[in-house]
Amino acid sequence: EVQLVESGGGLVQPGGSLRLSCGVSGFTFSNFWMSWVRQAPGKGLEWVANINEDGSERYYVDSVKGRFSISRDNAKNSVDLQIDSLRAEDTAVYYCAREFRGYNWGQGTLVTVSS
Amino acid sequence: EIVLTQSPGTLSLSPGERATLSCRASQSIASAYLAWYQQKPGQAPRLLIYGASSRASGIPDRFRGSGFGTDFTLTISRLEPEDFAVYYCQQYGYSPRTFGQGTKVEIK
Repeated sequence: EVQLVESGGGLVQPGGSLRLSCGVSGFTFSNFWMSWVRQAPGKGLEWVANINEDGSERYYVDSVKGRFSISRDNAKNSVDLQIDSLRAEDTAVYYCAREFRGYNWGQGTLVTVSS
Repeated sequence: EIVLTQSPGTLSLSPGERATLSCRASQSIASAYLAWYQQKPGQAPRLLIYGASSRASGIPDRFRGSGFGTDFTLTISRLEPEDFAVYYCQQYGYSPRTFGQGTKVEIK
């Protein structure tokens, strides 16, 4: 069974940083692109970033370029999202997803940016 | 960036009725890379359809995806009580990946 479990969310002040992590099981991690998607309270889904199988390709939505960084460790079956210079508008549930015939999703981790 | 526009924003229907949801892309998408998701409050999205028309594992056959190019449709043939939710389309073939803004299917 494909499983994805996010961690690392929490309350952070504006300008602060967080590192989100997603651990996976049930599939050969190194064979798949991985994505992060976020959802602000009461809003729709927003794709944030993805990374290819070996980490050599990374893409970001314009609104997070220069502040967010996606990475992966194929030995540990994990994908991370480093979030810097946090803003109030980054408040959201952050989901990790496997890209394969659509997305398989984790349950999400909540990031709240507030003073 | 490919913009996906979903319509209508809200669909008010009764159980047993047919729901037709639209997703229009700002440029042509290879059908292999169009997906539909269902999301209920407090839950992660659930994959329904991939490749525009293939049902994901465990998805009932009342859910049907169709379309090509720039126009795609999700049809729910007979609404069950558990189908009232928000539905999103997504293209996952081009970077950046993008989602539609969602269609809420509510009980009339």
